[in-house]
Amino acid sequence: AQSVAQPEDQVNVAEGNPLTVKCTYSVSGNPYLFWYVQYPNRGLQFLLKYITGDNLVKGSYGFEAEFNKSQTSFHLKKPSALVSDSALYFCAVRDMGTGTASKLTFGTGTRLQVTL
Amino acid sequence: GAGVSQSPSNKVTEKGKDVELRCDPISGHTALYWYRQSLGQGLEFLIYFQGNSAPDKSGLPSDRFSAERTGGSVSTLTIQRTQQEDSAVYLCASSLGSGLNTGELFFGEGSRLTVL
Repeated sequence: AQSVAQPEDQVNVAEGNPLTVKCTYSVSGNPYLFWYVQYPNRGLQFLLKYITGDNLVKGSYGFEAEFNKSQTSFHLKKPSALVSDSALYFCAVRDMGTGTASKLTFGTGTRLQVTL
Repeated sequence: GAGVSQSPSNKVTEKGKDVELRCDPISGHTALYWYRQSLGQGLEFLIYFQGNSAPDKSGLPSDRFSAERTGGSVSTLTIQRTQQEDSAVYLCASSLGSGLNTGELFFGEGSRLTVL
């Protein structure tokens, strides 16, 4: 089965500094990887995805993620953090299951706290 | 509607009672998912519907849980004889389909279930 791991429960960064939220994956075959964000008391929102192509994927709100096959990682990054980026971030992998059925398997989430 | 709609937003019930949670997906989305989010547990997949195919029920934690999707649109998640460990936020999501290049799930804001 496909899985992702988010090794950090929380990441703290000062506003204006670069941020990285880590994710590693374990899949059989080609990985289809995603990042979602959950703001307080809200549902999850899609940020970006990697299917194929360039290893650096750009997404919403200035976020990007780097796919690294040799390290089986898909870390989320942003060059300059904002206080408004404070939220819960989930990495996910598509589980192809049987036939054409598929679902996303999510990591346990990383809470990002950006302070002034 | 413009987004995925879930009701009720909050439900408090007594142990042993049955509850029904409703999800109204985005119009035209053929895939519908239920996930459960417990504190510190990340997102747990429950069930997945895709068009007229048999649903993927592999994530349902026990036979007290069931879900149906009527007319390929609205879905109801039913929990019978609720237990305190069922307390969680139940998230519904929909997407256009399950092809290889899709992956963006649109989530509702969830139904928070508290079992006393």
